[in-house]
Amino acid sequence: DAKTTQPNSMESNEEEPVHLPCNHSTISGTDYIHWYRQLPSQGPEYVIHGLTSNVNNRMASLAIAEDRKSSTLILHRATLRDAAVYYCILLGFQGAQKLVFGQGTRLTINP
Amino acid sequence: DTGVSQDPRHKITKRGQNVTFRCDPISEHNRLYWYRQTLGQGPEFLTYFQNEAQLEKSRLLSDRFSAERPKGSFSTLEIQRTEQGDSAMYLCASSLARVTEAFFGQGTRLTVV
Repeated sequence: DAKTTQPNSMESNEEEPVHLPCNHSTISGTDYIHWYRQLPSQGPEYVIHGLTSNVNNRMASLAIAEDRKSSTLILHRATLRDAAVYYCILLGFQGAQKLVFGQGTRLTINP
Repeated sequence: DTGVSQDPRHKITKRGQNVTFRCDPISEHNRLYWYRQTLGQGPEFLTYFQNEAQLEKSRLLSDRFSAERPKGSFSTLEIQRTEQGDSAMYLCASSLARVTEAFFGQGTRLTVV
């Protein structure tokens, strides 16, 4: 299974943008890049996913490097409710048939 | 349909007892997944179904664990002869297809005493 690497933790201030990095140097051509987050005492929650082009939705933006070996989840204006563990996961038509979670990045938002 | 629901939300059981958890996925979703999560760790994959067929089981799923999804609708996860190491949050998720978003339930927290 293709592996992702994320920082263990990050910290940001409320109302500021947050850029969460993810490295996936062994990504295959058919792997989608998925991001999930898990708030305290909740199940994981889908955030966004993409294949090659940058993606935007109401929650976040996903910036994908041209070589697809890294990506960045962007929260444009962090709120206290964005404090969570963020997971970057590769999912495609080959290899893993399911989401494989790593340790993720624990994001702390300071008021 | 309000999402994936799991029942019960909490279960305390004595070591050696059997427990069964239920997951009701989003109705049109044909894929259903079970995960286990311990404190401070990411969710660990246990097994998944496509409709009623159980297509993959993790090595974490010992002989004491069994999962079913009769008729491709709800699913049950049974743990026989529970051990203290089984204490964890058990999460269920469903999706339409492999690369589409998965929706998770709130989980069942199991405590084995």
